[in-house]
Amino acid sequence: DVKVTQSSRYLVKRTGEKVFLECVQDMDHENMFWYRQDPGLGLRLIYFSYDVKMKEKGDIPEGYSVSREKKERFSLILESASTNQTSMYLCASIKDRAGQETQYFGPGTRLLVL
Amino acid sequence: GQQVMQIPQYQHVQEGEDFTTYCNSSTTLSNIQWYKQRPGGHPVFLIQLVKSGEVKKQKRLTFQFGEAKKNSSLHITATQTTDVGTYFCAVSYYGQNFVFGPGTRLSVLP
Repeated sequence: DVKVTQSSRYLVKRTGEKVFLECVQDMDHENMFWYRQDPGLGLRLIYFSYDVKMKEKGDIPEGYSVSREKKERFSLILESASTNQTSMYLCASIKDRAGQETQYFGPGTRLLVL
Repeated sequence: GQQVMQIPQYQHVQEGEDFTTYCNSSTTLSNIQWYKQRPGGHPVFLIQLVKSGEVKKQKRLTFQFGEAKKNSSLHITATQTTDVGTYFCAVSYYGQNFVFGPGTRLSVLP
């Protein structure tokens, strides 16, 4: 069974702080994704990575960066947190993006920026 | 980017009633996935549809992919309180990442 874990379930930060959200998957998946989920907007793709040290912008990358130093770990970084980044952040992984397989999601991190 | 619509946004049903949510795209899709997210939980994969006109069933759930591969539906027969949650479609346009719809939130009154 695929397991995707995220470093925190809940996080409270202040405006201007640097925030790290970490995601780890244990199934040797090449592709990993970061989404944010907001009411009425569904899941929006922030960044994705299809290999170690590779990263691609998603639909809403502004204000975020990512790091993929190891295959199993994909980090989302908020360089200077702002209140409009208060959201639920979901990490997902998939083995073969071209084969359109299912995405496995982590439990999510609910971030509140004050 | 590509837009995907889901209707309705919310649905309240009495336990035992049927429920249907629709997912629509203006562009032909390569495939579509459906996910369920329970309150406080994360999205969990339900099914993937690939072929035009495809119909798949999982117990009380019926999934259909339109003939033109531009829309899909999820139908639940005789809803139960365990069906409560938000149902998302995730659509794929050939060679691109999945795009998630805004979801339909289902409430089931006992």
